[in-house]
Amino acid sequence: NAGVTQTPKFQVLKTGQSMTLQCAQDMNHEYMSWYRQDPGMGLRLIHYSVGAGITDQGEVPNGYNVSRSTTEDFPLRLLSAAPSQTSVYFCASSYSRVAGGSSTDTQYFGPGTRLTVL
Amino acid sequence: SQQGEEDPQALSIQEGENATMNCSYKTSINNLQWYRQNSGRGLVHLILIRSNEREKHSGRLRVTLDTSKKSSSLLITASRAADTASYFCATGTGWGKLQFGAGTQVVVTP
Repeated sequence: NAGVTQTPKFQVLKTGQSMTLQCAQDMNHEYMSWYRQDPGMGLRLIHYSVGAGITDQGEVPNGYNVSRSTTEDFPLRLLSAAPSQTSVYFCASSYSRVAGGSSTDTQYFGPGTRLTVL
Repeated sequence: SQQGEEDPQALSIQEGENATMNCSYKTSINNLQWYRQNSGRGLVHLILIRSNEREKHSGRLRVTLDTSKKSSSLLITASRAADTASYFCATGTGWGKLQFGAGTQVVVTP
């Protein structure tokens, strides 16, 4: 299994440009999430999904859109990039349930996309 | 706002020594997890402790959880140079979402 894959690895945008960060997982996980990581900080949740067709906002959703048409893919769209969106973006997935109980929330992370907005 | 706060922010030790880092959180949790991040890489899950557990071991890792104090600690015994990384605590509520602390940067020198 490839696990969680993210493309591109690096991206430079100009203010106002749009782009989509791709995320895919081959573990048949129902839950998927996008986080951003800024220097000196932990990860902050942008958007998450509990299954195909179901998404919701996390802690820092402004400026980002998501959709989930398949179990495998969870793209993150920046509609009009701003310098404040310069960050490292991580996609993660997890099981919705484990044997004998509900989700443990254990996340499997992709390698990240380093985005710079000029 | 972040759920977890980690202490210390940075830790420098020599190989063979133990490394201890602490995490405090604010709200009720389903579980607490620790992750490691090597420079420039994604996070890797290390260990999970459920809210009804007090201590858990995995190899050289020992995690404790005190829900009355809303705190957890991670102990790495007999550290190695390869343990150099940032360590994050994260709290989960059971819906595939985590809230992370700011992390502890650990440097292990040979």
